[in-house]
Amino acid sequence: NAGVTQTPKFRILKIGQSMTLQCTQDMNHNYMYWYRQDPGMGLKLIYYSVGAGITDKGEVPNGYNVSRSTTEDFPLRLELAAPSQTSVYFCASSYSTGGMWNTEAFFGQGTRLTVV
Amino acid sequence: SQKIEQNSEALNIQEGKTATLTCNYTNYSPAYLQWYRQDPGRGPVFLLLIRENEKEKRKERLKVTFDTTLKQSLFHITASQPADSATYLCAPRGYSSASKIIFGSGTRLSIRP
Repeated sequence: NAGVTQTPKFRILKIGQSMTLQCTQDMNHNYMYWYRQDPGMGLKLIYYSVGAGITDKGEVPNGYNVSRSTTEDFPLRLELAAPSQTSVYFCASSYSTGGMWNTEAFFGQGTRLTVV
Repeated sequence: SQKIEQNSEALNIQEGKTATLTCNYTNYSPAYLQWYRQDPGRGPVFLLLIRENEKEKRKERLKVTFDTTLKQSLFHITASQPADSATYLCAPRGYSSASKIIFGSGTRLSIRP
């Protein structure tokens, strides 16, 4: 199993450009998450999904969009990139069922994005 | 609003000593509390989970306590080693915020030889 795979690993965007950060997992997890981490700071939840077709906002959703058409994939879309979106982005997945939230989250290796 | 607080300052410990990290939460009633380790440039890795009805959980040199009255979890690393140097994150989970995983800001731990 590859676990959680993110692409690309690095990207430089110009202000106003758009891009999609890809995230795929092969563990058949129903929950998936996107976080951003600014230098020296903690993880902030952007969006999350509890299953295909269901997404919800996290702590810092502005400037981002997501979709979840399959269990495996959870892409994060940046429209009109701004310097404030310079950060490291992490995707994660976990499995929860029957109201049980005791399972661990598995993280990808991150995407380092710079907006100039 | 819900808040998770961890020691904002880095913790510097002499090798061999016990490191103790704190996680305080407000406006939460978590069913579980998870601890993760994050190394520079890497994603967090799960370490331990403790349930609300458990006072203490151990795994090798790691020990976690959970006091729902104080709304606090303590994370201990005994016989600390330089390889334990990392940032440690806590994440209360369950009930009102079940689907989301919200992390504290993390505590950077440095073990000096």
